[in-house]
Amino acid sequence: AQRVTQPEKLLSVFKGAPVELKCNYSYSGSPELFWYVQYSRQRLQLLLRHISRESIKGFTADLNKGETSFHLKKPFAQEEDSAMYYCALMSNTGKLIFGQGTTLQVKP
Amino acid sequence: DTEVTQTPKHLVMGMTNKKSLKCEQHMGHRAMYWYKQKAKKPPELMFVYSYEKLSINESVPSRFSPECPNSSLLNLHLHALQPEDSALYLCASSQVTGTTYEQYFGPGTRLTVT
Repeated sequence: AQRVTQPEKLLSVFKGAPVELKCNYSYSGSPELFWYVQYSRQRLQLLLRHISRESIKGFTADLNKGETSFHLKKPFAQEEDSAMYYCALMSNTGKLIFGQGTTLQVKP
Repeated sequence: DTEVTQTPKHLVMGMTNKKSLKCEQHMGHRAMYWYKQKAKKPPELMFVYSYEKLSINESVPSRFSPECPNSSLLNLHLHALQPEDSALYLCASSQVTGTTYEQYFGPGTRLTVT
C-alpha cells in the first residue's frame, strides 16, 4: 500500500530553535516525495521535492530509503514558518498522496 | 502567468441548487486536478484530467460532475449536494501527469451547502 505518515499533528517550538517535521512513507519502488506548505489563508504551495535537493527558506529534507523517511528540517525556526506542512508521495499512477499534515507553531 | 485561478472564492448553495466551480491556468499545463479539503485535513483527490480527458475518478458521487472544455479550463458542476459536501475545493495543474511534475494549486473555492 502507498501511504504517507506524519506522526505529529502539532509541533510547537520557540523562535530560533531547531525544527524537524517527521514524514514516513510506504512505497514499493523509488518514491517521489514532496513537502507542501499552507500558510494561513494562502494557497497550498510546494516547499521542497527530494529530486531537487535544494534548500528553500532554510528548510532541507533528505530521503532515507533505509528508514523510509523524508523528514523536514530547519536549524533555526522563524515565526513566519508557522503553517501547516504536508508531506506527499507521488504514486505510480500520478496521484499525489498526502500525509495528515503537521501544524508548526513557532512561538516568539 | 504562473498561477492557477479559481472562481468563485466562496459559494453558498442549497441542496437543490445547481452551481459550477471554475478553474483556469495559462501555464500550458496539460494535467488538471480537483481536490476536496476539509478543515485541518489534507486534500483528497477527486478527479484528474490529462490532455482534456478524464483519467482518474476517485469514486466521487455523481452529484459532482467535472468538465474540461479546453486545456486551460476546468469546471466542476455541482447538483443536489449534501451538507457534508461543504469543504474547500482546490484545483491544481501540472505540466503533465507523472511522478516528477510539481502540482500548482489554486486558492480554492470555499463551498457551504445549506
